Amino acid sequence: DTGVSQDPRHKITKRGQNVTFRCDPISEHNRLYWYRQTLGQGPEFLTYFQNEAQLEKSRLLSDRFSAERPKGSFSTLEIQRTEQGDSAMYLCASSFIDRFNEKLFFGSGTQLSVL
Amino acid sequence: AQKVTQAQTEISVVEKEDVTLDCVYETRDTTYYLFWYKQPPSGELVFLIRRNSFDEQNEISGRYSWNFQKSTSSFNFTITASQVVDSAVYFCALSGNTGNQFYFGTGTSLTVIP
Repeated sequence: DTGVSQDPRHKITKRGQNVTFRCDPISEHNRLYWYRQTLGQGPEFLTYFQNEAQLEKSRLLSDRFSAERPKGSFSTLEIQRTEQGDSAMYLCASSFIDRFNEKLFFGSGTQLSVL
Repeated sequence: AQKVTQAQTEISVVEKEDVTLDCVYETRDTTYYLFWYKQPPSGELVFLIRRNSFDEQNEISGRYSWNFQKSTSSFNFTITASQVVDSAVYFCALSGNTGNQFYFGTGTSLTVIP
């Protein structure tokens, strides 16, 4: 399987706990994006990396959220002290930067439920 | 500001009917890119098409066609002879030239009834 892979598919946690999600992009892709999607809404941008550098973060990304892409390959998204409002689908996408032909390839997402 | 509006929240059609999904966008960029993605019940967003702002040619791919009109800032998607497998949520998205974000609409949920 050469698509974008996300782990876990589902995560249930109690309010106040920390959670970490992992994303493995398509191997030759140098850009990696994190999006959040709630029921009935489109994906909302959180942050993106070009190689290992985190180049942009949304205002949606509070201090409790941190993302890393240490070697420019896989990425992790950590949420500390989870709140019920963090319940959502967290989507990872990757692309190969080519301004004339960039398109995002998405993973299946991690569904987070905060109780 | 970048914005994508999909006014149709839900659409139901009977199999073999044609259906058009509307997308209206706002951007100040002179160069931008428009996309359609399909999200089936499995959840994974599937890329359908990308259109550059300087290319207003309409495109047809099998039963799918796209109508891009800069004058009305619209990028509509038509499915001809719909099938049950077309049932999904469809998202229109915009990427500008000044940033690297992709802005998604709220999606249109299409149900094709056999």
